[in-house]
This record gives sequence, structure tokens and C-alpha cells, in this order.
Amino acid sequence: DAGITQSPRHKVTETGTPVTLRCHQTENHRYMYWYRQDPGHGLRLIHYSYGVKDTDKGEVSDGYSVSRSKTEDFLLTLESATSSQTSVYFCAISDARPGGGVEAYNEQFFGPGTRLTVL
Amino acid sequence: AQSVAQPEDQVNVAEGNPLTVKCTYSVSGNPYLFWYVQYPNRGLQFLLKYITGDNLVKGSYGFEAEFNKSQTSFHLKKPSALVSDSALYFCAVRGSAGNTPLVFGKGTRLSVIA
Repeated sequence: DAGITQSPRHKVTETGTPVTLRCHQTENHRYMYWYRQDPGHGLRLIHYSYGVKDTDKGEVSDGYSVSRSKTEDFLLTLESATSSQTSVYFCAISDARPGGGVEAYNEQFFGPGTRLTVL
Repeated sequence: AQSVAQPEDQVNVAEGNPLTVKCTYSVSGNPYLFWYVQYPNRGLQFLLKYITGDNLVKGSYGFEAEFNKSQTSFHLKKPSALVSDSALYFCAVRGSAGNTPLVFGKGTRLSVIA
């Protein structure tokens, strides 16, 4: 899985509790992403980062926050978990090729996923 | 806004037969198109991409995809399916305007029957 780890891999928590998921990469890639995967919805982008301390919202960002204090780590936090946030969460990374202006060419590489259940 | 449609939730094919998994897209500017595969309890694995050039793109595990600009399609194909190809397949697109993240389709489950 291209030098990407996610922790924990499985978590069960209760409604209203805070949860933090961690994505760690060893590839020194600039861009990092958090997606959630749900049946019938495919993958939907939650938040992404284009550098340390630079983040932006995705399609389904409500109820989630992120932080990136160093290149290798991208944290996803559910401040107060709800049952609708039960899902499988994937982290992804990508990078820009030398020469600039061609970030759009690069594929994303995905981590193994975290299965989160909110009771 | 960019979007991807995978019109089939499920595709069944007999082993040895050709397979096609369909994808259509909508994007401003030139599209950058990707196919990923997901095996059970795994993350997504990159298969192939179209950036520019030849409309027929070859990728991993014998898969290929054909870009058709007039039909805004990027169908995934393989001449002879294997049982081990059974998995969930995702098409994704990003536009050429800035570093926008990939937008994924809902996925198509491929079942190859022996």
C-alpha cells in the first residue's frame, strides 16, 4: 500500500465521543486526502491537504476536522461521533511531478482503510 | 463541477470472455481519467490512467481502457476475464483546472464466473 499506514484499523465507539484517525506516509508526498466509503456512494472526499498546515474541505466535510502539522501525518477528527459517520475511511496520497503545473497527472495511492463503527 | 457515472452496479461475465466496465464523465476542460480496483478488505489499487495521447491506455493485470472524447466515456476492458478479476472497480476523474482532488464514481462490482 505504497508506504501508507492508517491507525487504528478498526474502531468501535459510542455516539458523542471524539475520535481521531491517523494517516502516516513514508513517501514524502505533498498531497494527502481523507475519503469515506459507503455502499451506494462510492468514495467521497472529506478533506484534503496540499501541504503542511494547508487543508481544504471536500464534498462531505461537515462533522469532520483535519490537521497536518508535518508532511508525513494527516489526522482526521470526528469531534462528536454520530451513527451516520459509521463508515470505512481511506487515506490517500499523491505528489506533483518535477517541472510543476502537472499535479493533475498524478494518481493517488491509498492506505488500507479504517473501519469505524459508531454505536 | 466534475462528476463520474458508472451506470452498472454489477457486471457478470464468464471466465475467458471479454469484459467491459463502463464509465462516463463530466468535467471542465481536459479530463484526467483513472481506474482503480478494490479487493475485499483492501484499499484501492491504481490500474491505469489517461492523461493525453493515445485513446487506448494499457494498465496493470492486462486491463486497458478506451478514452472517447465525443461520448465522454472511459470504459475499462479486458480481452479475457479471470476469476481473480472479481472485485469492485472505480472510475475517477479530475479536471485540468488546478490541483483538484479525484472525484470517484460509485463503483461497479465485477463477478467473473468459472
